[in-house]
Amino acid sequence: DGGITQSPKYLFRKEGQNVTLSCEQNLNHDAMYWYRQDPGQGLRLIYYSQIVNDFQKGDIAEGYSVSREKKESFPLTVTSAQKNPTAFYLCASSFYRGYGYTFGSGTRLTVV
Amino acid sequence: SQQGEEDPQALSIQEGENATMNCSYKTSINNLQWYRQNSGRGLVHLILIRSNEREKHSGRLRVTLDTSKKSSSLLITASRAADTASYFCATDAENNDMRFGAGTRLTVKP
Repeated sequence: DGGITQSPKYLFRKEGQNVTLSCEQNLNHDAMYWYRQDPGQGLRLIYYSQIVNDFQKGDIAEGYSVSREKKESFPLTVTSAQKNPTAFYLCASSFYRGYGYTFGSGTRLTVV
Repeated sequence: SQQGEEDPQALSIQEGENATMNCSYKTSINNLQWYRQNSGRGLVHLILIRSNEREKHSGRLRVTLDTSKKSSSLLITASRAADTASYFCATDAENNDMRFGAGTRLTVKP
């Protein structure tokens, strides 16, 4: 079955730590995205990638980094520079930007 | 920054009733999409309506688009308890800048 998989489902980060969230898709989609969702709010774009080895900053990229070495994979690193990382992180993919996104089930990150 | 804004923020209805949610946006768009999110889960794509379309149906869902008013509505007919979720509109602007609204929280009481 084609889909998009995020792991882990829950992640706890200590102050000053970097953590990496995984996102893998087998839909043959070119474009992939990372969004952040805070309680009761909409989605804010962190980073997106329209093709392998290329990615662009979204609205709230500070404190985050990504890579796109393979078409299937778009990991997100939450660095210690991100001062308020507790949130629900959603990865999505699509054939091209702006068209019918498929979302993963999310990773809930909590700072302890 | 958000482009689409859903209205109302929350809606509570009885099973069997119809639910209507609205979305307003600011800039010209290529298409507008509606998504559903169950609590603590990812979003699920429901329907896409292009800027040159005025109405689209999918099962119990009916979406309208009025580009002159920069607004869209999502109608869910004969609602069920399983329709309880948050519903988001997303606009694909002409520069392919996709924006999500803050969502409407729908509760369908059995």
